[in-house]
Amino acid sequence: SQQGEEDPQALSIQEGENATMNCSYKTSINNLQWYRQNSGRGLVHLILIRSNEREKHSGRLRVTLDTSKKSSSLLITASRAADTASYFCATDARTGFQKLVFGTGTRLLVSP
Amino acid sequence: NAGVTQTPKFQVLKTGQSMTLQCAQDMNHEYMSWYRQDPGMGLRLIHYSVGAGITDQGEVPNGYNVSRSTTEDFPLRLLSAAPSQTSVYFCASTGTGREGYTFGSGTRLTVV
Repeated sequence: SQQGEEDPQALSIQEGENATMNCSYKTSINNLQWYRQNSGRGLVHLILIRSNEREKHSGRLRVTLDTSKKSSSLLITASRAADTASYFCATDARTGFQKLVFGTGTRLLVSP
Repeated sequence: NAGVTQTPKFQVLKTGQSMTLQCAQDMNHEYMSWYRQDPGMGLRLIHYSVGAGITDQGEVPNGYNVSRSTTEDFPLRLLSAAPSQTSVYFCASTGTGREGYTFGSGTRLTVV
C-alpha cells in the first residue's frame, strides 16, 4: 500500500510562478525525501528532510515537514520550463531507509 | 560516469518466459533496491539488499527473485513472466541513505 499521497495530482503554471505540492503519509517516519522524474527517465533525488526538522532549503526548493499532521510540502520558486516533471515524496518508516515508500506523484507542467 | 546502469532498456517477453534484469552500480553503495512503476501507482518496492549476500522482500516480491553476490551487482529475475508484470522497473542504490537514492534509467518490460 502507498505510504504517501501527493496533492494535487497535476499542476499547470506559467514560468516565473511558484509551484507548491503536498504530500501526506500514514505512519511515523525517520526521513522524508522528494524526487523528480522527467518523462521516461529515472528519478533524481532533490532533498531529504529529517523528522526532527521543520524546514529545509536547497536553491529554489523549499521543503516543510509537519510530523503532527503527517504532511510535507515542496515549494519551487520562480518556476522554469525545465522544472516540468513529476515529483514524488518518499518516506522511510521506522523500519529504515532501505524500504522507501513512494507516493503517487504530482505532474507539474510549467509553460513558457 | 558514476551511477546505476540498467540493462536492457526495453524488453518484450511472452507469458511464461523467464529473464533477468541487470543492475550495476560503481559507487560502492551498500544498499540497493528494485522498484516497479505502474501508471497512477507511484513506485513500489520489490526487493532490496543491505549488502553483498543479504536480500529481503519489499511490498510486491511475488514472481521475482534477487541475489547479491557482489557489492556492484543486483540482478532481478522474473521466474515465469505474466502480463501483470508489464511495468517499468527501476534499480536504485544508496550509500548511507542520507544522500538519497541514485536511480537507474529504467527497463520498460512488456509481457504479452
